[in-house]
Amino acid sequence: AQSVSQHNHHVILSEAASLELGCNYSYGGTVNLFWYVQYPGQHLQLLLKYFSGDPLVKGIKGFEAEFIKSKFSFNLRKPSVQWSDTAEYFCAVNARYGGATNKLIFGTGTLLAVQP
Amino acid sequence: GAVVSQHPSRVICKSGTSVKIECRSLDFQATTMFWYRQFPKKSLMLMATSNEGSKATYEQGVEKDKFLINHASLTLSTLTVTSAHPEDSSFYICSARDWTSDITGELFFGEGSRLTVL
Repeated sequence: AQSVSQHNHHVILSEAASLELGCNYSYGGTVNLFWYVQYPGQHLQLLLKYFSGDPLVKGIKGFEAEFIKSKFSFNLRKPSVQWSDTAEYFCAVNARYGGATNKLIFGTGTLLAVQP
Repeated sequence: GAVVSQHPSRVICKSGTSVKIECRSLDFQATTMFWYRQFPKKSLMLMATSNEGSKATYEQGVEKDKFLINHASLTLSTLTVTSAHPEDSSFYICSARDWTSDITGELFFGEGSRLTVL
């Protein structure tokens, strides 16, 4: 069965610091990978996704993530965080069977607090 | 982008009553809708998957008689929490995908509904 693990449950950074949030998944086949963000009081929004092609994907608000197949990882990065990046970040994975996709499984989430 | 709307956003009910939460895709036809439950400081737990016009598929450990899901049209799915108890208090989130995201797997999320059972 698919599973997703996020190593950091709670991260506190100062503004302008660099961010890297880890995400590993367990599934040996073809996967689609996502990072979603949930700002305080708001619904989940897609930050970025990997479907195929270039393993380094760029998303909104300066975020990027790199898919490393050999490591089953899809870490999220941002070179310089802002106070407005304070939110909860979820990594999600679904497996692709014969072109169609299965359900989306989420990691436990990482709560990022950026101090001004 | 595709918009998914949930209603109500907050609901408080007495123990033993039933509560219905609606999930609508506003600008696309949702071939599949998913219902998640989010516990405090925990991840989103998939409860069930529903396809329009067919019975929902429930995840292991989710009581289908407790959490009734109806997907009557391509734009509406409902979750009814029957005979709610305090332990059912949670944040319920629906999500939907259209025919393009049947391939990509991307989901569009509703705002969530916070249920509090007294």
